Amino acid sequence: DAGVIQSPRHEVTEMGQEVTLRCKPISGHDYLFWYRQTMMRGLELLIYFNNNVPIDDSGMPEDRFSAKMPNASFSTLKIQPSEPRDSAVYFCASSLMATSPLHFGNGTRLTVT
Amino acid sequence: DAKTTQPPSMDCAEGRAANLPCNHSTISGNEYVYWYRQIHSQGPQYIIHGLKNNETNEMASLIITEDRKSSTLILPHATLRDTAVYYCIVRVTDSWGKFQFGAGTQVVVTP
Repeated sequence: DAGVIQSPRHEVTEMGQEVTLRCKPISGHDYLFWYRQTMMRGLELLIYFNNNVPIDDSGMPEDRFSAKMPNASFSTLKIQPSEPRDSAVYFCASSLMATSPLHFGNGTRLTVT
Repeated sequence: DAKTTQPPSMDCAEGRAANLPCNHSTISGNEYVYWYRQIHSQGPQYIIHGLKNNETNEMASLIITEDRKSSTLILPHATLRDTAVYYCIVRVTDSWGKFQFGAGTQVVVTP
C-alpha cells in the first residue's frame, strides 16, 4: 500500500494568493482528517470526513479555509486568500474505521510570504 | 475525550528500555489509549493502542493500570532512531472518530 499521499510537499506563495493542498487517502479508509502543525499550537485538527461527508469542521480557523472530499480517493484543503499566519505544515490522515489507528501523510509545508 | 498529561521531555540511553508515562485520570470505559510518535519533519506514526489489557507489538509494549487512569509505553531497546515526540491520546469508540493531539513527550535517545 502506498500510504496517504499528499501534494505538494512544499508550497511557497505570496499573501493573498489561493492555495490548494491535496490528499489521497489509503484505499478503503472511511475517515479522512486534515491537521495543521505549528511550533506555537502543535497539531490541530481542522476537519474530518466520514464516507466523504464533513463531520466536524469546528477546527477550521476561518472562512478563508475550506475542505472538500468529492470522492473516496481525493480531498482538498483550500485557503483563499492566504495570509502569512497560515504558514504551517498541513497533514492529511486516514483511518479504516472509527476505532482504527490514523495513518498520516508526510505533510505539505506551506510558506506564505 | 479524556485529557492526557505527559512529561514534556525525557532522555534515554541507547540500548536501554524507555518508559513513557501518561496520565488519563478522567478516562471513560469506552475510551481507548493510543500512542503515536512524530520524528522530525515527518507525519505522526501509529505505535500501539489498547483498551484495558496490556498490548505488545513489534514496536513497543503498552501497560495500562487496572483502574485505567494511567498507562506506560515501553520501548524495550531504544535506538537513536527512536528520538521523537511521543503522543498519548485517549479517544472514544463512537462512530465519530476524532483524534486530538496534546503536546507530547520529547524523547531524546543518546549514545
